[in-house]
Amino acid sequence: AQSVTQLDSHVSVSEGTPVLLRCNYSSSYSPSLFWYVQHPNKGLQLLLKYTSAATLVKGINGFEAEFKKSETSFHLTKPSAHMSDAAEYFCVTSSGNMLTFGGGTRLMVKP
Amino acid sequence: EAEVAQSPRYKITEKSQAVAFWCDPISGHATLYWYRQILGQGPELLVQFQDESVVDDSQLPKDRFSAERLKGVDSTLKIQPAELGDSAMYLCASSLLTGLREETQYFGPGTRLLVL
Repeated sequence: AQSVTQLDSHVSVSEGTPVLLRCNYSSSYSPSLFWYVQHPNKGLQLLLKYTSAATLVKGINGFEAEFKKSETSFHLTKPSAHMSDAAEYFCVTSSGNMLTFGGGTRLMVKP
Repeated sequence: EAEVAQSPRYKITEKSQAVAFWCDPISGHATLYWYRQILGQGPELLVQFQDESVVDDSQLPKDRFSAERLKGVDSTLKIQPAELGDSAMYLCASSLLTGLREETQYFGPGTRLLVL
């Protein structure tokens, strides 16, 4: 079975500093991996997805993630945090079209 | 840009009452999903439709939950009777096709249910 583990439940950064949200996956074959963001009381919005093409995936709002098979990781990064980035972030894998979500990481951005 | 629509956005009900949520997927999307998201956790799939047919409802508590997508377009999720533990966000998502693990699911804004 496929699964993802988000290593931090909460991450706090200052505005303008880099963001790193960590995700490890477990899969018996090349996975499909996604990052979704959820702002308070809102639905989930797709940030980016990996589908075995390029290992470095660029998403919306300046986010990107790198698929590292040797480390079974798919960490989400952004060079400079903005106040509007404060939200819950989910690392997600899929099997067929069944999505399996990680536990989520709440990103807090301090002024 | 097309979006998944859900209503109501918020619902407060008393336990043992019936509640219903509505979802209208992106036009042309054959696959529709209902998820439940308990506060502080990731969403969990309740039911998946391909057109009007149920593909997967293994996680749907069928003694009290029901879902339908009669014409293969919009869908209704019902809970009867509601219990305190049903308080959660109910998310609807849709995707163009099925069976493709890299396919993107598009989520609606959700219905937040509070059972008193």
